[in-house]
Amino acid sequence: DQQVKQNSPSLSVQEGRISILNCDYTNSMFDYFLWYKKYPAEGPTFLISISSIKDKNEDGRFTVFLNKSAKHLSLHIVPSQPGDSAVYFCASPQDDKIIFGKGTRLHILP
Amino acid sequence: GAGVSQSPSNKVTEKGKDVELRCDPISGHTALYWYRQSLGQGLEFLIYFQGNSAPDKSGLPSDRFSAERTGGSVSTLTIQRTQQEDSAVYLCASAPGRNSYQETQYFGPGTRLLVL
Repeated sequence: DQQVKQNSPSLSVQEGRISILNCDYTNSMFDYFLWYKKYPAEGPTFLISISSIKDKNEDGRFTVFLNKSAKHLSLHIVPSQPGDSAVYFCASPQDDKIIFGKGTRLHILP
Repeated sequence: GAGVSQSPSNKVTEKGKDVELRCDPISGHTALYWYRQSLGQGLEFLIYFQGNSAPDKSGLPSDRFSAERTGGSVSTLTIQRTQQEDSAVYLCASAPGRNSYQETQYFGPGTRLLVL
């Protein structure tokens, strides 16, 4: 049973517009969340994180929003750039491991 | 500095053969993780090493899978009697190990395993 769910396998967004990637989780004990970005033939790289004591964390063009009551978080990228085309994984640590979602493939259209 | 490296980058093997996958973590990182990503799936945790502590093997899918970490550095993931469902990308990650709960993990490029 998936504890971290990314229900959109793919998303296409026009260059310059906002990309919004969504993630839902089932375990209310999760209190820290991460987003990783993965290019083909490369390992995932850490992008941004958020602790449950916050509802927003911003880093340049990337902002993560956390809605604890809905067990939902989202990653906003604005403005979207061609180099943002990648697979984005939502994740949360549980004990000594990280639970990853299945990922959302983002295509930035010219 | 060098990142996490993995070898081989690609491996094609026949069903029933054994394979060994290698991971060289970032120097000084005491935490090392193995994950796999099957087609259309997320990253699935396999095993975690932290320093000299006993590894967390809770993610290993069967007793055909094992891993070692020699001298607290290089790790080898071994899959015995490979099956076609073992085909996946096997990813290794390392972390400083000071606070594994919220530490950033640094991933290698992965080994793409195809079992025919």
